[in-house]
Amino acid sequence: NAGVMQNPRHLVRRRGQEARLRCSPMKGHSHVYWYRQLPEEGLKFMVYLQKENIIDESGMPKERFSAEFPKEGPSILRIQQVVRGDSAAYFCASSPRSQTFTDTQYFGPGTRLTVL
Amino acid sequence: EDKVVQSPLSLVVHEGDTVTLNCSYEVTNFRSLLWYKQEKKAPTFLFMLTSSGIEKKSGRLSSILDKKELSSILNITATQTGDSAIYLCAVVSDSNDYKLSFGAGTTVTVRA
Repeated sequence: NAGVMQNPRHLVRRRGQEARLRCSPMKGHSHVYWYRQLPEEGLKFMVYLQKENIIDESGMPKERFSAEFPKEGPSILRIQQVVRGDSAAYFCASSPRSQTFTDTQYFGPGTRLTVL
Repeated sequence: EDKVVQSPLSLVVHEGDTVTLNCSYEVTNFRSLLWYKQEKKAPTFLFMLTSSGIEKKSGRLSSILDKKELSSILNITATQTGDSAIYLCAVVSDSNDYKLSFGAGTTVTVRA
């Protein structure tokens, strides 16, 4: 059973460009979470999505950031007009959220975004 | 806002030593505490501790939850170089039972 897949693993963008980060959850998982890890800091929650629904985006900046989890295909985290402060590692996690939900989220390898 | 503090920030030990990592938390309506190991890739799940499961053990790793002291420790015995990693602690509240609130992590370096 493949784990959570993220691509690309490394992404370099110039200021003002758009960054698109993709996440494919584990097989059988329908709930996706995005976290951001800044240097020397812990992971910070950004957004929680189910298929075609954003459940909680309270951790995501109001401007330039958006996320989606379409019926078909991976979850996408989009950052428009990137700035240097967006440089970070972005991790995606997934969980089954079945009746036996246990809070355990399984993480992907992350996408390391560098903004020049 | 939930608060998670890990200590020490980093430590260096020699193979065979025992390490103890600390995690203290402030969270409204505590639900669970999780430990992850992060190498140069995905954080991998180690343990989840709840009110009904305050002690977990797997091989050389073990963890205890102290609900009275609002803290947890992660022990690694007979350390190996492969244990070198960042160890992350996260808490979950009943209010937002999907949101992991992480500490900054403890970086463990095991020297041969």
